[in-house]
Amino acid sequence: EIVMTQSPATLSVSPGERATLSCRASQSVSSNLAWYQQKLGQAPRLLIFAASTRATGIPARFSGSGSGTEFTLTISSLQSEDFAVYYCQYYDNWPPRVTFGQGTRLEIK
Amino acid sequence: EVQLVESGGGFVQPGRSLRLSCAASGFTFDEYAMHWVRQAPGKGLEWVAGISWNSGRVGYADSVKGRLTISRDNAKNSLYLQINSVRAEDTAFYYCAKDFLGSWLALFDYWGRGTLVTVSS
Repeated sequence: EIVMTQSPATLSVSPGERATLSCRASQSVSSNLAWYQQKLGQAPRLLIFAASTRATGIPARFSGSGSGTEFTLTISSLQSEDFAVYYCQYYDNWPPRVTFGQGTRLEIK
Repeated sequence: EVQLVESGGGFVQPGRSLRLSCAASGFTFDEYAMHWVRQAPGKGLEWVAGISWNSGRVGYADSVKGRLTISRDNAKNSLYLQINSVRAEDTAFYYCAKDFLGSWLALFDYWGRGTLVTVSS
């Protein structure tokens, strides 16, 4: 089983600054990596897939990079609505190999 | 607009059974795989089950295999999750999620708002 590890667990950043979140896979996942945002009391929302492709309607300040085992989600200039929990996820075709990271909480500094 | 609306959650005693439903609209339901993802209160996300567009591929997380059954009715644009012999660790929000593909990719591009299952005696 592939294990996804996110760091840090909590990140404190001021509005307008850049945030960098990391996700590491226990073995190569190629570019089969997605990022989701979950605000308090809401369902997750897909931000990034294929490691670096923004989902429909996602602002350009969100960007993803990496391949293999090391991935990064960068939010270039934090807006108030960006403070949330972010999850990375490994996905793949059949057979099922779905794994989420434990999440990074992005909070206002 | 894609909409996924879960129902069927509530309080259930340990050992009983429960059936969750998800009503889909705003897309061609029978062209996409569908999944259930759960989240215990204050915890992270856990994929539990998925089903391809034609029910030809059905998969479960090891943690729930044998107790949960996912199914779909394409004529009714509906997804289901049968949970048998519920345990305390099944307490969670259960989200219905649409797959990016019909066959199976387990990339979740739309999510419902979830339904809360609370297991308590």
